Amino acid sequence: KQEVTQIPAALSVPEGENLVLNCSFTDSAIYNLQWFRQDPGKGLTSLLLIQSSQREQTSGRLNASLDKSSGRSTLYIAASQPGDSATYLCASHAYSGAGSYQLTFGKGTKLSVIP
Amino acid sequence: EAQVTQNPRYLITVTGKKLTVTCSQNMNHEYMSWYRQDPGLGLRQIYYSMNVEVTDKGDVPEGYKVSRKEKRNFPLILESPSPNQTSLYFCASSSSAGGSDTQYFGPGTRLTVL
Repeated sequence: KQEVTQIPAALSVPEGENLVLNCSFTDSAIYNLQWFRQDPGKGLTSLLLIQSSQREQTSGRLNASLDKSSGRSTLYIAASQPGDSATYLCASHAYSGAGSYQLTFGKGTKLSVIP
Repeated sequence: EAQVTQNPRYLITVTGKKLTVTCSQNMNHEYMSWYRQDPGLGLRQIYYSMNVEVTDKGDVPEGYKVSRKEKRNFPLILESPSPNQTSLYFCASSSSAGGSDTQYFGPGTRLTVL
């Protein structure tokens, strides 16, 4: 059964710093990997989706990489801002049978960007 | 605006009183799913649906029911809620029937069972 781990559980950085959030997964047979952002009391917002055949995806100040062989993904945030403060979740999509794909989530990294 | 909506957003109820949490999406998505989020346990899938009248269990289906009579709606039913079902619930949808594409989440329903 797929397990997704995110370390650290919490991270605090000063504004303007570049940072990396880590995600590891136990089963490399994933279909794709998705990064989400969750604000307190809110739902999840999809940030980036990386297909298993891709190495990275970029959106604005965000860059996500995927290394299937080592079971790792990273989310790079450039020039962090206080508005980036949120919990970041990674989730792997894997085939679960009968034509369906299951999303397995990590427990998230809570990011605080200090002005 | 493309979105997934859930109602109610907050609900306090008592043990054994049947309740339904509604979920609706306006993106004509094939795949819909329910998750619960608990501190220390993360998000776990309860049930999913790949199309109308096609539903299947996720990782934690006990105590829940779902139905998919229309493509846009996927209600979650708790026929006899218990305190261990106190949680934050999310509905999600995806354009691909198997759910392999980007998943879009609703705003969440915070349920407290006394």
